[in-house]
Amino acid sequence: GIQVEQSPPDLILQEGANSTLRCNFSDSVNNLQWFHQNPWGQLINLFYIPSGTKQNGRLSATTVATERYSLLYISSSQTTDSGVYFCAVLKSTNAGKSTFGDGTTLTVKP
Amino acid sequence: DTGVSQDPRHKITKRGQNVTFRCDPISEHNRLYWYRQTLGQGPEFLTYFQNEAQLEKSRLLSDRFSAERPKGSFSTLEIQRTEQGDSAMYLCASSFTGTVTRNEQFFGPGTRLTVL
Repeated sequence: GIQVEQSPPDLILQEGANSTLRCNFSDSVNNLQWFHQNPWGQLINLFYIPSGTKQNGRLSATTVATERYSLLYISSSQTTDSGVYFCAVLKSTNAGKSTFGDGTTLTVKP
Repeated sequence: DTGVSQDPRHKITKRGQNVTFRCDPISEHNRLYWYRQTLGQGPEFLTYFQNEAQLEKSRLLSDRFSAERPKGSFSTLEIQRTEQGDSAMYLCASSFTGTVTRNEQFFGPGTRLTVL
């Protein structure tokens, strides 16, 4: 099956710093999502981004499907950005199985 | 609240007991998914339904696990004869797939199962 690797596994920042999280995948995909998992375990949708670039406030994401990677940018980080960030890929729109990476744990210190 | 809901949010049971979890998807969504997440890992796919049909099951879904979506709306996940290794967060998600090629999944808050 498709493999998803996220890096770095852990990231510690001071409030106000910028960061880049990476997601590599081993095969072509039709769907890619970025999620933020809060301390209570809820997965919050950040981006649906099978290709191209999107921005939402301090967050932006870029997926280069031909090179099989996606990047999540967090600018001017805040303590509330702390948590685990996951990317999930779906090989085909008609397939059901999303494959998740193991996540990047972000800690933003005040 | 029109998001995905799951019940119960927490379940503590003794080894060997049966447990059942419920998921209510977003109302217009035709697909419903179950995932399992253990500490330090990403969610792992278990099974999914399109309307009431169960279309795919993971190897992770042993004979002790069964899922249903009888009327194409809510779904239940039952685990029989629970084992300590079943302790995990069970996540439900839903999506709408139609003529537009998009399959964005939205997750519920999860049910955290602890097997003693």
